[in-house]
Amino acid sequence: RKEVEQDPGPFNVPEGATVAFNCTYSNSASQSFFWYRQDCRKEPKLLMSVYSSGNEDGRFTAQLNRASQYISLLIRDSKLSDSATYLCVVNTGFQKLVFGTGTRLLVSP
Amino acid sequence: DTEVTQTPKHLVMGMTNKKSLKCEQHMGHRAMYWYKQKAKKPPELMFVYSYEKLSINESVPSRFSPECPNSSLLNLHLHALQPEDSALYLCASSQGLSGVTNEKLFFGSGTQLSVL
Repeated sequence: RKEVEQDPGPFNVPEGATVAFNCTYSNSASQSFFWYRQDCRKEPKLLMSVYSSGNEDGRFTAQLNRASQYISLLIRDSKLSDSATYLCVVNTGFQKLVFGTGTRLLVSP
Repeated sequence: DTEVTQTPKHLVMGMTNKKSLKCEQHMGHRAMYWYKQKAKKPPELMFVYSYEKLSINESVPSRFSPECPNSSLLNLHLHALQPEDSALYLCASSQGLSGVTNEKLFFGSGTQLSVL
């Protein structure tokens, strides 16, 4: 089993739609969790950290479920500019951050 | 705009060449990383330096040799690479503070390497 797993997609949604991604991790001792966004041929950029209490940043909401070992990302009112690959990142201990395979999102007009 | 600077942006080298990738950050971060990313794959961790000492080596072949001359600089020396080593090489940094578990990575824009 991979350390961090995501559905690769692509998720094709129209503008204005709500879309959700999940990510599962295998190491129950994992300490911190993040969502990164990566555009084609660009470096990953931090989208948001994921906290146990859940957190929201504008149209983006992240949730962590430690019991089931998954994190989620919800995007409301999708924009064309949201089209990208969304990478789930898990800190499995002492600066070892492991990336999921990424979920590709395509938002169409 | 990234505060982690990588050079060169593109590199083409033969299998007998020796080249180096460079990375620089001025955010005062004490941890620096090298990741390798193949097309349509996630970044894979290669090396981590913490306070200028190598702390993680993910069983990377010896043809890749990292170096951390000081807290702001990270190099990756390349020698006798294979065509399958062609990839995007990403440098990243994080605060690297002891006991902090919520480390965020800040990436450079990467070096696209092609080995012929």
